[in-house]
Amino acid sequence: NAGVTQTPKFRILKIGQSMTLQCTQDMNHNYMYWYRQDPGMGLKLIYYSVGAGITDKGEVPNGYNVSRSTTEDFPLRLELAAPSQTSVYFCASRDSGGRNDEQYFGPGTRLTVT
Amino acid sequence: QQPVQSPQAVILREGEDAVINCSSSKALYSVHWYRQKHGEAPVFLMILLKGGEQKGHDKISASFNEKKQQSSLYLTASQLSYSGTYFCGTEIRWSGNQFYFGTGTSLTVIP
Repeated sequence: NAGVTQTPKFRILKIGQSMTLQCTQDMNHNYMYWYRQDPGMGLKLIYYSVGAGITDKGEVPNGYNVSRSTTEDFPLRLELAAPSQTSVYFCASRDSGGRNDEQYFGPGTRLTVT
Repeated sequence: QQPVQSPQAVILREGEDAVINCSSSKALYSVHWYRQKHGEAPVFLMILLKGGEQKGHDKISASFNEKKQQSSLYLTASQLSYSGTYFCGTEIRWSGNQFYFGTGTSLTVIP
């Protein structure tokens, strides 16, 4: 199992550009999450999904959009990038109700907006 | 909604013990603990689901006081490998499936 994979690993965007951060999990987990982590800070929930076709906003959803058309994929879309979106983005999946109920994190995407 | 952790940072010598606290202003359904090494993704340590529950493995354990909406992580006989930032993560009762990570505690173990 590859676990949770994220692409790209690094990206530099110009202000106003758009991009999609990809997240795929091969563990058949029902829950998936997107977090952002600013330098020296904790993780903030952007969006989450409890299953294919179901998404909901987290703490900091402004400037982002998500979709969940399959169990495996949960892409995060940034429209009109702003410097405030410079951060490390982590995707996670979770087998809610499963044996351990832990979140498995991808390696992260480091995004810089200039 | 973000739980508050204390202390913010702690430095230990190998073999010393530490306690990290996580406190929420909301009623909690569950508390998770994660450790994150610099430049890496967080890694799950344990989950506590019931008030009064205590869990542990190796020399790391945790407790959950549901009445006080607090959890504590106990690290005993610390090892160099324990260094990192520790985060509690919480699910709040009756708030759907939102997940809130705490403010983080930086732990450094020195020889």
